[in-house]
Formats: sequence, C-alpha cells, structure tokens
Amino acid sequence: GDSVTQMEGPVTLSEEAFLTINCTYTATGYPSLFWYVQYPGEGLQLLLKATKADDKGSNKGFEATYRKETTSFHLEKGSVQVSDSAVYFCALSTYSGNTPLVFGKGTRLSVIA
Amino acid sequence: NAGVTQTPKFQVLKTGQSMTLQCAQDMNHEYMSWYRQDPGMGLRLIHYSVGAGITDQGEVPNGYNVSRSTTEDFPLRLLSAAPSQTSVYFCASRSGTGAGTDTQYFGPGTRLTVL
Repeated sequence: GDSVTQMEGPVTLSEEAFLTINCTYTATGYPSLFWYVQYPGEGLQLLLKATKADDKGSNKGFEATYRKETTSFHLEKGSVQVSDSAVYFCALSTYSGNTPLVFGKGTRLSVIA
Repeated sequence: NAGVTQTPKFQVLKTGQSMTLQCAQDMNHEYMSWYRQDPGMGLRLIHYSVGAGITDQGEVPNGYNVSRSTTEDFPLRLLSAAPSQTSVYFCASRSGTGAGTDTQYFGPGTRLTVL
C-alpha cells in the first residue's frame, strides 16, 4: 500500500541554521505530496504542497521539490527561527480510491536561540 | 468560515463510559476523517467518510463508531472507553481527491484521557 517515511526526530538546531527533513514515499500512480506543520497545542496546518513531478512547493521560507525519480519530497529551509519549532509531517494523496491522506510519523524540530 | 471545529477540547472519562466527539465543517467538503495522534505513532486513521451516508474504516477502527447524516457533521463515538484510547483526536476534511481539491484541513483537536 501507499506509505510515507520521514526521518526520525527530534531535530535540534541553532537559530539561522539550515534545515533538511527527509521524506520518501511509496505510492501507485502519481500522488500529490504535502508538508503539514503542527505547532504546540494546535492541529495540523498545511505548510506546502506539490502535485506533480519537479514541482516545488514553498511557503514561509520552506521549500520542497517533488522528485519522482527518487520518490522524495525533502523539506528545506535556509535559516530557521525559534518560531519554526514544531512537528512536521510529510503526507501523500493518491487519486485512486477514496482514502484520505497517508502521513509519515512526524519529525519534531526544536530551534534554540 | 470557521473551518473545521471540534468539541470538546479536553475530556476525562472513566473506563467503560461512552461519549461522542463532535466535528463540524462549514466548507461543504465531501470528505471527512478522524485520526488519533499518539506519541511516536504519528497520525493513525480511525474512520472516514466520502459523503453523507457513507463511512468506512481506517487503520484503527475498533472501539469507535461513526455516522454521517449531514455533509457538515461527522461525530465519533466511543462505545466503552478504555485507557488505550487516551489520545489526541483530530477531525479533518477536504473537498475532493483531485490536484486542486485534495488539501486536507484539520480541526484543533480533542485531548481525551481515560482513567
């Protein structure tokens, strides 16, 4: 079945450091790919998405490129801030069937000043 | 739009009690889902619905019931609460499965403790 694998956390970085959170997927067909972010005590909110190969999703300084050849959608940010501390989830959606999004297990990011 | 709303925000139950977690959305979305979130486990799908009157089981449906009598509402019922159901529950909705409609929107969550 469809699945998402993302790097285990927690990840701790100093402010202004470079961030990469790896995400790879297994899916039939051509899924849409998402990154969701969950701030402490809140629900998940969409950070960015890409719907086809080579698309780049971007938002709030975060970027991720849909790489079909490596089945990956790694999240990157050039300079993290303390306010980026959160849990990040990679997810996919396929167009076959009616099943909801498939999520990775999440990666907790802590940014220290 | 209020988006996806959930009530209550917090709940404490005793083992064996029953309760209903409420979820509503005002975006006229056909697809609604319930997830539970446990430490180290990510999000696990409990039940989902693709429209009024249609529901299906997800990854962890045991101990939970759902119904979908209207497009807006998708309540989750715990039949006889167990400590293993202590978790944070999220409701979500989306309008469709195509590239422009598959973004899923989440409610703020219900934190449930079963003693």
